[in-house]
Amino acid sequence: AQTVTQSQPEMSVQEAETVTLSCTYDTSESDYYLFWYKQPPSRQMILVIRQEAYKQQNATENRFSVNFQKAAKSFSLKISDSQLGDAAMYFCARRGGSNYQLIWGAGTKLIIKP
Amino acid sequence: DAGVTQSPTHLIKTRGQHVTLRCSPISGHKSVSWYQQVLGQGPQFIFQYYEKEERGRGNFPDRFSARQFPNYSSELNVNALLLGDSALYLCASSFREGYNEQFFGPGTRLTVL
Repeated sequence: AQTVTQSQPEMSVQEAETVTLSCTYDTSESDYYLFWYKQPPSRQMILVIRQEAYKQQNATENRFSVNFQKAAKSFSLKISDSQLGDAAMYFCARRGGSNYQLIWGAGTKLIIKP
Repeated sequence: DAGVTQSPTHLIKTRGQHVTLRCSPISGHKSVSWYQQVLGQGPQFIFQYYEKEERGRGNFPDRFSARQFPNYSSELNVNALLLGDSALYLCASSFREGYNEQFFGPGTRLTVL
């Protein structure tokens, strides 16, 4: 089965500290794309960061970075200097190279403690 | 520029009824995808349309159908509603089929009683 697994239903972190959210996936494809999306209480899904599987370099977007371990099929998200506005559900998703549908994990609720 | 818009925001229906959800993509975007997000779960892919043609279908029954219009807006139709159809329905648009980034609308919350 082509699945995406997020093993942490909920994580909490102190404001200004660093937190890492975990994601593992299963695929038989060599060409695929990985994404982290954020869904705040407003419900709008917002792209946080994406990683192309053929790129060895880990993607970085300001305070957000990923640790992409292709052989282990692991794709974790690190949030540095956590801010109150980072509080949301975070979803990991995978898309195939030729099949464009997104396969999603169950999500991790991130709580930021002031 | 306006983002992806969806209507209505909320909807309450009873079992057996039919519902139509609407989505307008970002101007210039030609691909629209629909997802169902049951409370407490990640989204599940329902359909993808590109240039008015169905390009992908998820594991949903035939009660679910969709179409894309010449202006690239889209409708999702669900017939014979079941309690289990209660969910947030998300529409996403992208510039073209296979483009890396999908932009999501705020969703339509459907409650089936």
